[in-house]
Amino acid sequence: SQQGEEDPQALSIQEGENATMNCSYKTSINNLQWYRQNSGRGLVHLILIRSNEREKHSGRLRVTLDTSKKSSSLLITASRAADTASYFCATVKAAGNKLTFGGGTRVLVKP
Amino acid sequence: DTEVTQTPKHLVMGMTNKKSLKCEQHMGHRAMYWYKQKAKKPPELMFVYSYEKLSINESVPSRFSPECPNSSLLNLHLHALQPEDSALYLCASSQLDMGFAGNTIYFGEGSWLTVV
Repeated sequence: SQQGEEDPQALSIQEGENATMNCSYKTSINNLQWYRQNSGRGLVHLILIRSNEREKHSGRLRVTLDTSKKSSSLLITASRAADTASYFCATVKAAGNKLTFGGGTRVLVKP
Repeated sequence: DTEVTQTPKHLVMGMTNKKSLKCEQHMGHRAMYWYKQKAKKPPELMFVYSYEKLSINESVPSRFSPECPNSSLLNLHLHALQPEDSALYLCASSQLDMGFAGNTIYFGEGSWLTVV
């Protein structure tokens, strides 16, 4: 069963624009992770944010976590055509030992 | 080396066949996973091995049989599958199981399975 729900389900932007996607989850978490998946390929880990953290950066990626709202966001700045992919949030529940994925956001960056 | 290697990349099998998917990692990770992913859906956890022992089985039908021969290898034995089992099967590994904070899972490229 999915722990996270992502919004929007699909996003189309021009190269150079920023892309923002959101993830909501239902139960308390140990950490939340974001992954990227190019069409038909494996998943690539992007960022892990722990429940006691509020924001993390990695290159052009910025992740926020609001545990009071049970939500997270992923911002990709200055998007490139190569950023075209599906992006998934995934959570590990507090005292849990499984990584459970949300529904994903399909991002299309047009050159 | 952060690589998880899966073979074969593509597999077509009949409903009466027996086949296996293989997964290998040399990162010294002690937890390994099988996920199943249908088109345009998120990956769904099937099995977790921790220290070569099966720790989680997400009520997967017995026609899927996992095996962990050693700490570097993970197999998924397939028998009497149904067409609805056609999917991308992803293997993954992490240093420790996900009960430890801060663990990152590394995924292989997956094996595309078609059941005819």
